Parts: sequence; structure tokens; C-alpha cells
Amino acid sequence: AQKVTQAQTEISVVEKEDVTLDCVYETRDTTYYLFWYKQPPSGELVFLIRRNSFDEQNEISGRYSWNFQKSTSSFNFTITASQVVDSAVYFCAPNNYNAGNMLTFGGGTRLMVKP
Amino acid sequence: NAGVTQTPKFQVLKTGQSMTLQCAQDMNHEYMSWYRQDPGMGLRLIHYSVGAGITDQGEVPNGYNVSRSTTEDFPLRLLSAAPSQTSVYFCASSAGLGNEQFFGPGTRLTVL
Repeated sequence: AQKVTQAQTEISVVEKEDVTLDCVYETRDTTYYLFWYKQPPSGELVFLIRRNSFDEQNEISGRYSWNFQKSTSSFNFTITASQVVDSAVYFCAPNNYNAGNMLTFGGGTRLMVKP
Repeated sequence: NAGVTQTPKFQVLKTGQSMTLQCAQDMNHEYMSWYRQDPGMGLRLIHYSVGAGITDQGEVPNGYNVSRSTTEDFPLRLLSAAPSQTSVYFCASSAGLGNEQFFGPGTRLTVL
């Protein structure tokens, strides 16, 4: 079965600090996709980024960047120059081939950005 | 384009009652799914569908039924509600493998 570990349950930073959210996953699939979602206090789930397993090039999109390393099964997510509006719970989720390619979610990391 | 809609937003049931949570999407997505989120936890997959007429069980299917008679709708039925089913339920849809899932706003269910 798939397993996703987000070891950081809560992180608190001061505005404008950079913050990295860690994600380690277990999967038997040889090719797969990895996602990060954000859940602000209002409760909705917002898609942030997607990465496929056969391209390990790290990318940057605005204030977001991600570091994918297949050899260590890690998919870390960084927010540069954090803002108060970034305060939310962040979920890492690989797709599960044996479950119709639906998502397996980690327990989430609660990020609090203080002004 | 409403995306994924869920009704009701809130519901209180008594133990043993049954009900149906509604989910609809207008993006013509083949893939739809139901997740539950318990306090302080991530989402867990209940049931999913990869097309009309096709459904399958996820990680926590006990106590729930689904059907998929149309591409647009994917209702979730609670057969006999139990306090352990108190949770927030999210419906999602996607265009398939590798595509992002679009989530509905959620239904907060309390079973007394």
C-alpha cells in the first residue's frame, strides 16, 4: 500500500522567511505523479503543483519551488518570501495506480505565517 | 462553469439514519471520487469511479455505497449512519491520470 509521510505537523515562520515542507512517500508504481495541495482555513482544497516521476528537473513557479528526488522518494515544496496568506495546511499526494490513479494523502503540514 | 458542487454543506444525522451526499461536476471528467477528512488528518479515499457505470472501493469503503449512472453525478450513500462517520466529505473529479483533481467545497456531517 502507498504511504505518505509529512513529518512536520506544524511550522511557524515570520513573514518573508523561506519555508520548506517535506514529503516522503512509498509507492510500488514505477511511474506516477506527485501533487501538492493547499487547504486554507476556509476549508477548500486548492491544487498547487504537479510533478511526474520520470522528470526529476526541479522547477520554480513564482514563489513556489519544488525538489523531487526519486532515489530518496522525496518531494519537498518551498515557499519563498512567505506571506500571511500562505497560512494553511499543505498536503503532499502521489497518485495510486491500484486505486484508479486517485490520490493518497499525507497527514498534512500546518503552516502559520506571522506578520 | 460551476466546477464540482456538493450538497448539502452541513448535515446532522442520528445514529442509524441513512442519507445521500450529492456530487456533480460540469467539466465532463471521467474520474470522480469521494474522500473523507477527519480532524487533523489528511484525506482518505472512500470510493471512486473511472467512468459511468464503473465504481470501485478505496481505502475506507465500509458503510458507504456509490453509483455512477451519468458522467456528471456521483452520489455517496450512507446506509446506516454511525458516529464514526462524523467527518468532512469531499468529492473530486479529474480528467484522468496525471491530471489535477478538482475538489468540491465539502460536506460537514455530524452523526449523533
